[in-house]
Amino acid sequence: SQQGEEDPQALSIQEGENATMNCSYKTSINNLQWYRQNSGRGLVHLILIRSNEREKHSGRLRVTLDTSKKSSSLLITASRAADTASYFCATGGNQFYFGTGTSLTVIP
Amino acid sequence: DADVTQTPRNRITKTGKRIMLECSQTKGHDRMYWYRQDPGLGLRLIYYSFDVKDINKGEISDGYSVSRQAQAKFSLSLESAIPNQTALYFCATSEPGTPEKLFFGSGTQLSVL
Repeated sequence: SQQGEEDPQALSIQEGENATMNCSYKTSINNLQWYRQNSGRGLVHLILIRSNEREKHSGRLRVTLDTSKKSSSLLITASRAADTASYFCATGGNQFYFGTGTSLTVIP
Repeated sequence: DADVTQTPRNRITKTGKRIMLECSQTKGHDRMYWYRQDPGLGLRLIYYSFDVKDINKGEISDGYSVSRQAQAKFSLSLESAIPNQTALYFCATSEPGTPEKLFFGSGTQLSVL
């Protein structure tokens, strides 16, 4: 399987704290994406980082990519209760492979 | 209205039955995908299609078939459902200009008894 793996599997933090989740993947990539899934619903695209980029920001999201280690991290700053969701990384070109996800709980 | 619509939202069926899950989209995207989600396994690609005459197998196509009836419609069939096909199924679309950005439907929860 070419699936990536997120770490940790589950994360619980207080509102206002930062949340960091990591993704490791197995093959060379052109880009990596992060998606969010609210409980039982469809995934929503958050951010894409290309293989020639090391860091990318979007609002409270910061994504880093280390192609030498085949890993990426997603940082959510100043978390809110509404950020409670599962977060997935995905890689691929024509076929897209998703990681197993990190379940984030933000406690009000 | 949702841009990517899946029907039904929930389905319970028995082993051996034929089941069709339907997906329609109003985004005008050429590319459509079917994924299944199982707890602890993430999403796995079943089939994908880049246009009406293009059908490709994904990671786990055994036991499934698809039909791309039109640019906007992509159906997934289970010819003879089995219990380990119990899962949450998602349809997704993307456009050639930004193929990496997938737009997902709300999912179909299928239970095979």
